[in-house]
Amino acid sequence: AQSVSQHNHHVILSEAASLELGCNYSYGGTVNLFWYVQYPGQHLQLLLKYFSGDPLVKGIKGFEAEFIKSKFSFNLRKPSVQWSDTAEYFCAVIGSSNTGKLIFGQGTTLQVKP
Amino acid sequence: DTAVSQTPKYLVTQMGNDKSIKCEQNLGHDTMYWYKQDSKKFLKIMFSYNNKELIINETVPNRFSPKSPDKAHLNLHINSLELGDSAVYFCASSQRLAGAVETQYFGPGTRLLVL
Repeated sequence: AQSVSQHNHHVILSEAASLELGCNYSYGGTVNLFWYVQYPGQHLQLLLKYFSGDPLVKGIKGFEAEFIKSKFSFNLRKPSVQWSDTAEYFCAVIGSSNTGKLIFGQGTTLQVKP
Repeated sequence: DTAVSQTPKYLVTQMGNDKSIKCEQNLGHDTMYWYKQDSKKFLKIMFSYNNKELIINETVPNRFSPKSPDKAHLNLHINSLELGDSAVYFCASSQRLAGAVETQYFGPGTRLLVL
């Protein structure tokens, strides 16, 4: 069965620090990968997505993620975080044969200290 | 204009009651979803409708019944509410694309608290 694992449950950084959040998935076929962000009290917003092509994808607000097929990973990065990046981050996957069923990781809480 | 909207935003009710949550999208999408986010913030899909037809029905108690009167609306009715139903319920929508995977857009969530 498909699954998504986010290794960092709670990350605390100071402003301007670099960020990398891990995401690994388990699926035997072609996958499509997403990172969503949930700011406090708000809904999920799409940060970026990978469907095909260049494995390094750039999203909004300076975020990027790299798809490494051999490692079944899709880690999220940002070179310099801001206090406003404090949020919950979710990695998600849809297998190409699925009917739109997004499988989410358990989420990573990012706290950025000013 | 809100792309995916949900009402109510907050819902506090007693155990045993029946309640409904409404979702509407104005993106012209043909597929809608309900997700449940538990107290540990874990998100899990419950249902999905494509053009008013149920296409995903996860292991959810029969007390939960989705209804899609048209492509733009997907409501969730919950009978005999239990304490464990307390959660945030998110609606989402997407456009089904032949041979491609669509992006899902989420609503603001409905915070349900069962007392």
